[in-house]
Amino acid sequence: KAGVTQTPRYLIKTRGQQVTLSCSPISGHRSVSWYQQTPGQGLQFLFEYFSETQRNKGNFPGRFSGRQFSNSRSEMNVSTLELGDSALYLCASSLYPQGRSRGETDTQYFGPGTRLTVL
Amino acid sequence: ILNVEQSPQSLHVQEGDSTNFTCSFPSSNFYALHWYRWETAKSPEALFVMTLNGDEKKKGRISATLNTKEGYSYLYIKGSQPEDSATYLCAPNAGNNRKLIWGLGTSLAVNP
Repeated sequence: KAGVTQTPRYLIKTRGQQVTLSCSPISGHRSVSWYQQTPGQGLQFLFEYFSETQRNKGNFPGRFSGRQFSNSRSEMNVSTLELGDSALYLCASSLYPQGRSRGETDTQYFGPGTRLTVL
Repeated sequence: ILNVEQSPQSLHVQEGDSTNFTCSFPSSNFYALHWYRWETAKSPEALFVMTLNGDEKKKGRISATLNTKEGYSYLYIKGSQPEDSATYLCAPNAGNNRKLIWGLGTSLAVNP
C-alpha cells in the first residue's frame, strides 16, 4: 500500500507570497492532519480534515487554511508569508479522526514533509 | 491548555545500554496515549497506542508502560543499538475533541 505523499518536498518563497502544499493520504484513509515543525517547538497542530470537513483547528492565524477534497487529498495554504513560517510541514493520514477510537485505527501515518523556506 | 512533558530532553548512551524515558500528562479525562519514533530525515512512525491503566506494550527491544491514575508513561529500550537513535514522541488524546497533543520528544543518540 502506498504511503502518504506530500508535494512539493522543498519550497523557497519570499515574504508576502502565498503557498499551497498538497497531501495525498494512504488509500482508504479519510482523515488528514497537518502539522508545523520548527526547531525547539515540536509538532504544532494546524488542522484536521475528515470527509471534507475541518474537524479540529490549532492555534494558528487565519493566514493558514486548508481543505480536503472528495478523494481525501488535502491542501493547505499559507497566505502573506512571514519569515517565521519557515518550517517543515507534515501531513498525516489515519483511517479514523483523532480520538475517534481507542486503538490503531486513529494511528497517524506521516508523509515525508514539505520544507518551506521563506526569505 | 494540556501540558505534555517528556524527559529527559536528550540522552546519549552507549551501544548495549538499556534506557528509559518518561512522558507526563494530566491524568483527568484520559483517553489514549500514542508513542512515535522520529528518525532524522524520515517521518514519524507509530510505535504504540495505549489505553488502559497498567497497559504494557512491546515491540522487539522497545516496550512501554502506562499509568493513567498518575499521568505518566515510560518507554524502555533494552540493549540500545545505533539504529535506535531517534526522537521519541508521546501524544495523548486530549480535550473534548480528543485531538492529539504532542510532547517535544526525547532525543536519543546511541553511540557504537
